[in-house]
Amino acid sequence: AQSVTQPDIHITVSEGASLELRCNYSYGATPYLFWYVQSPGQGLQLLLKYFSGDTLVQGIKGFEAEFKRSQSSFNLRKPSVHWSDAAEYFCAVENTGFQKLVFGTGTRLLVSP
Amino acid sequence: DGGITQSPKYLFRKEGQNVTLSCEQNLNHDAMYWYRQDPGQGLRLIYYSQIVNDFQKGDIAEGYSVSREKKESFPLTVTSAQKNPTAFYLCASTVGSGANVLTFGAGSRLTVL
Repeated sequence: AQSVTQPDIHITVSEGASLELRCNYSYGATPYLFWYVQSPGQGLQLLLKYFSGDTLVQGIKGFEAEFKRSQSSFNLRKPSVHWSDAAEYFCAVENTGFQKLVFGTGTRLLVSP
Repeated sequence: DGGITQSPKYLFRKEGQNVTLSCEQNLNHDAMYWYRQDPGQGLRLIYYSQIVNDFQKGDIAEGYSVSREKKESFPLTVTSAQKNPTAFYLCASTVGSGANVLTFGAGSRLTVL
């Protein structure tokens, strides 16, 4: 069965610094890949997605992610973090054709002044 | 505006009681999902439904039941058989044609006293 690993439970970044959140997946074919963000006590919002084509995808709020097939990774990046980016971030994989997402355990981002 | 409405936002239950969480969407989406979220465990799929009057068990269906009598509605019942029901419950929907970009509700927090 496919799985998603987000190795960092918490990350603290200074405001204005760059950010990279790691995501690795275990899946035989090319999956559909997603990053979602969740503010405390709220639902999840889609940041970006990768289905095919260009391996560098742009999302909302200045985020981007790069699909690396050789590393089975889909890391999320942002060049300059804002205090409002503090939230929990989830990587997710869809088993193509099965219409079910598998989520990672999440990474909580803290932004320091 | 289209979206997903979950109610109630907060719910308290005594042990041995069944409770039903409501999920209504006005997005005309075919597929609907229920996820359970616990700290450090990400989102786990409880049940999902791709069409009216049909639904499938997810990874942690024991102690839960659902119905899908209308396209717009997908209520979740947490039964007394669920051993550890205290959690944050998220409902989601998608058009159901694959490559799932899920739209999430704001969630319902259930606490068992």
